[in-house]
Amino acid sequence: SAVISQKPSRDICQRGTSLTIQCQVDSQVTMMFWYRQQPGQSLTLIATANQGSEATYESGFVIDKFPISRPNLTFSTLTVSNMSPEDSSIYLCSVAPPGGPGNTIYFGEGSWLTVV
Amino acid sequence: TQLLEQSPQFLSIQEGENLTVYCNSSSVFSSLQWYRQEPGEGPVLLVTVVTGGEVKKLKRLTFQFGDARKDSSLHITAAQPGDTGLYLCAGARGNTGKLIFGQGTTLQVKP
Repeated sequence: SAVISQKPSRDICQRGTSLTIQCQVDSQVTMMFWYRQQPGQSLTLIATANQGSEATYESGFVIDKFPISRPNLTFSTLTVSNMSPEDSSIYLCSVAPPGGPGNTIYFGEGSWLTVV
Repeated sequence: TQLLEQSPQFLSIQEGENLTVYCNSSSVFSSLQWYRQEPGEGPVLLVTVVTGGEVKKLKRLTFQFGDARKDSSLHITAAQPGDTGLYLCAGARGNTGKLIFGQGTTLQVKP
């Protein structure tokens, strides 16, 4: 398994501002992902954070809105830019440690953002 | 298009009852994972199933992966109030690490 720490765990943000969420893993992992969970909804993949190169975004998500950094194999950041109330969600970092069955994916505790 | 249909979406039962949650798809998955999530927290992995027809047990929870690897079920025996939470199934394709989630099942077990 992997221990995943996210910061902040919660924040209340003003409309139009940007917030950066950090994800730290206790071991080196190749695969790291960012998901969004809107209120009362399931999880949706935002992007794959690639170490040393630009993130790969899923349909409906763009780099200008959700810039991602991955400077090494244990750390990544997700920025939510120019926030609006529709961005109020839990943002979750996940990793696939090597050796797990079927690329088992583990999640951090999430960063709960409320935009006012 | 929702590729993984999870049902039921809401379930409220009495302590001691049994229940089954289903995840169905027309697509084949290389593996399927079940998570449990409590309010304000991230999903916690319960099990990963990889082989078609595989059955895994975790105390009172039984997980099954369909023979064709398109569907899965979670059966809880003698549910307890501590089982209350959001149960999520998620399918993986290949070795990309990307997961497709079902809509989730909110389970409430009343004492």
